[in-house]
Amino acid sequence: EPEVTQTPSHQVTQMGQEVILRCVPISNHLYFYWYRQILGQKVEFLVSFYNNEISEKSEIFDDQFSVERPDGSNFTLKIRSTKLEDSAMYFCASSGRATGTYGYTFGSGTRLTVV
Amino acid sequence: DAKTTQPNSMESNEEEPVHLPCNHSTISGTDYIHWYRQLPSQGPEYVIHGLTSNVNNRMASLAIAEDRKSSTLILHRATLRDAAVYYCILIPMNRDDKIIFGKGTRLHILP
Repeated sequence: EPEVTQTPSHQVTQMGQEVILRCVPISNHLYFYWYRQILGQKVEFLVSFYNNEISEKSEIFDDQFSVERPDGSNFTLKIRSTKLEDSAMYFCASSGRATGTYGYTFGSGTRLTVV
Repeated sequence: DAKTTQPNSMESNEEEPVHLPCNHSTISGTDYIHWYRQLPSQGPEYVIHGLTSNVNNRMASLAIAEDRKSSTLILHRATLRDAAVYYCILIPMNRDDKIIFGKGTRLHILP
């Protein structure tokens, strides 16, 4: 069964450093998403991406965050200057369509720890 | 956005059926009903979705009320591996949208 692959599975970084979280969505999917989950809390929407541009973003997704699809397969989330409160699980997801007719596939996540 | 209401937690015995309810009284005629689950320390996982008719797949069944104001996810024979948080989510069929997760139902399976 096709999978969404995320790397690394765990990243530790110092406060103020830049991090890039990587995702390989399912190959024929067109819609891509990043979510985050702070320990013990709900899964929160960050950003959706379609046709090489951001289609929607949440209030969490401020100027410190950016997304990119640098080639035909990778989808990345960059945090420019990490803060302690950015520590969370980050999940990538993809879908063939963004309407309810299709399910969404999520990756296993990257655990980001900012120290 | 249409909202869903789920119990915070439920318990079930292993190898017994589990019925997870979801109320969505303000559902629109163009909203699909989706269910996802999140196993401990893992990402959310698609379970099943439907519009009006009941649906079955290898993981579960989805029973949708005739008025579509509620639905029930049915796990026919729960295993310990089914212990997870289950999310009932509405997604429109006629426009692009993202998944918004609520708190879901935490399902505990008793051996």
